[in-house]
Formats: sequence, structure tokens, C-alpha cells
Amino acid sequence: SAVISQKPSRDICQRGTSLTIQCQVDSQVTMMFWYRQQPGQSLTLIATANQGSEATYESGFVIDKFPISRPNLTFSTLTVSNMSPEDSSIYLCSVRGPSGGLTDTQYFGPGTRLTVL
Amino acid sequence: GENVEQHPSTLSVQEGDSAVIKCTYSDSASNYFPWYKQELGKGPQLIIDIRSNVGEKKDQRIAVTLNKTAKHFSLHITETQPEDSAVYFCAASINAGKSTFGDGTTLTVKP
Repeated sequence: SAVISQKPSRDICQRGTSLTIQCQVDSQVTMMFWYRQQPGQSLTLIATANQGSEATYESGFVIDKFPISRPNLTFSTLTVSNMSPEDSSIYLCSVRGPSGGLTDTQYFGPGTRLTVL
Repeated sequence: GENVEQHPSTLSVQEGDSAVIKCTYSDSASNYFPWYKQELGKGPQLIIDIRSNVGEKKDQRIAVTLNKTAKHFSLHITETQPEDSAVYFCAASINAGKSTFGDGTTLTVKP
């Protein structure tokens, strides 16, 4: 299985500021994703982080608000820009692994708990 | 796109009883169906998964069944213990790619 770490684990931010969340995987993986989980809710996919190219965003999410980078096969960042209290959520990094084959599964990191005041 | 419905939203059982959570999906192309357990303050933890070429899979007290024709799959937990109390999510995807999740089931196991 893939071991995923996220930094920071939690943060409290002021509205109008931005926060960058880091995701590190212990092995090379084919796909990395970013999800949002609002309080008491299910998980919603924000985007697929593509190595070396622009991320693929889901409906309702845009690059200006959630810029994503993926410089290599083990690392990605998600930035939450110009934050408002509605952005208060848990942000989760997820990967598909380990081999890129038909037996792959999907794993989640521990999440970053963001509170915007 | 894919739509996943999960029932019930809350489930309370006595320790030692069985718990069953059911999910339906809409996209017949989906072929990977994981179940996650999420404890308070933690990320979702994969507990069991099933692929569309298999009808049932078991791992100790946990089992998952899949009915491709009816597009539904279920999680079965036997001999429940208080530490099984958590929120459980089902999901569906193609080849473990981007996933669509159910709304979650809060399971409470009463000692």
C-alpha cells in the first residue's frame, strides 16, 4: 500500500489569504487526486493532479481558486486561494497505486483540516 | 456522470450483531468498488474493495458483495465491536481512478 503524508495537518487562516497544502507519497504512483470534505459531508473530487501538465478540474472547481502542482510522481500541492469561511473543510490527497495496473487501489492521506475565519 | 447512493445514513447495532450497508451506482462502466472507514479527525481508510469480475470478497469479519446486473454492492460486518463505530463510505470508479462517493453511513456499535 502507499503511505501518504500531508502538511499542514490543520490550519486556521484569515479570509482573503491563501494556503498551500503539500502531499507526499512514499512511492511513485500513476494518479494523484485532491478531494474536499465539508463538515459532516461526503468526499467531493476537486481535481486530478497531472504530472508535468495542468490539473484536470471537476465541475464547480477552477484553477484560479484551487491551483495544483505535481512536479513529479510522488509530490503534489493544492493551494486554496483568496479564502472565505465557505472554504473551511478537510482537504484530502489521494493516490491510485501501486503499479498503474488493473489491481491498483485508491488510498487517502490523513487530510488537512482548514478553518477560515 | 456516476451517481452513488448509500443507505442507511445512520445505523445503530448491539455489540456482536451484524451490520449491513448498501450502495447503488449508475454507471455500468464502473468496475472498482472500495469501502472506506473514517474515524473522527482522520482520513478515510480502505477496509475492503471488490472488482467487477468478482461477486463476493471476505476478509475476516468484513465482506462485500457485488451485483453487477442490479448495480448494487453491500458491506457486511459480522460480530461487530465498539471499535467498528465510525463513518463508512462506499465509492465507485473505473480502474481505481477518480471516484464518486456515497454520502456515508454513521455506524454506532453499542456495548
